[in-house]
Amino acid sequence: AQSVTQLDSHVSVSEGTPVLLRCNYSSSYSPSLFWYVQHPNKGLQLLLKYTSAATLVKGINGFEAEFKKSETSFHLTKPSAHMSDAAEYFCVVSEITGGFKTIFGAGTRLFVKA
Amino acid sequence: GAVVSQHPSRVICKSGTSVKIECRSLDFQATTMFWYRQFPKQSLMLMATSNEGSKATYEQGVEKDKFLINHASLTLSTLTVTSAHPEDSSFYICSALASGGPNTGELFFGEGSRLTVL
Repeated sequence: AQSVTQLDSHVSVSEGTPVLLRCNYSSSYSPSLFWYVQHPNKGLQLLLKYTSAATLVKGINGFEAEFKKSETSFHLTKPSAHMSDAAEYFCVVSEITGGFKTIFGAGTRLFVKA
Repeated sequence: GAVVSQHPSRVICKSGTSVKIECRSLDFQATTMFWYRQFPKQSLMLMATSNEGSKATYEQGVEKDKFLINHASLTLSTLTVTSAHPEDSSFYICSALASGGPNTGELFFGEGSRLTVL
């Protein structure tokens, strides 16, 4: 069975410092993993995705994530936070087994202090 | 890039009326679309899977007669909230699974629709 756990409901960083948003998953099959960002009252924007190719995935706006099968993790990082990064971030796992199914993590709210 | 247009972005209606929300894939085809509901400060809750040309598949606890879904073409799915009540007020988001073309298998999200029922 699929599940996604975002380990932090809130993360607060100072502008210019690194960002780490943690995500652990469980999946019965080879999953695809995604990170999405949501700004207030907006839809979701894809940051990056892992689909069984390179384990280190680079996304938009300087974000990247590393797929670690041994740790069942897919943590999102960025070397230097910007004020515009403040938003809600969702880790998502999907499988195509008898239909396309996605599971969303609970979300992590990122606060960026000036 | 692929775009999903959701309309209206905001709607206010009186209790007892019905509201239709459209989800369109603008430059790709989607045999499957998804409808989600998001409560304040919470994650997305999958309501139903919309399949072109067939009946939608609803998640447990979602009333199919309350939330009517129609997926009449490869680029359009609609969600109709029937006899809306204040507890139906929420943020509704759709997504479309690209089928065919360079983005096949990728999921694209609409901008969401804020429904307020008075």
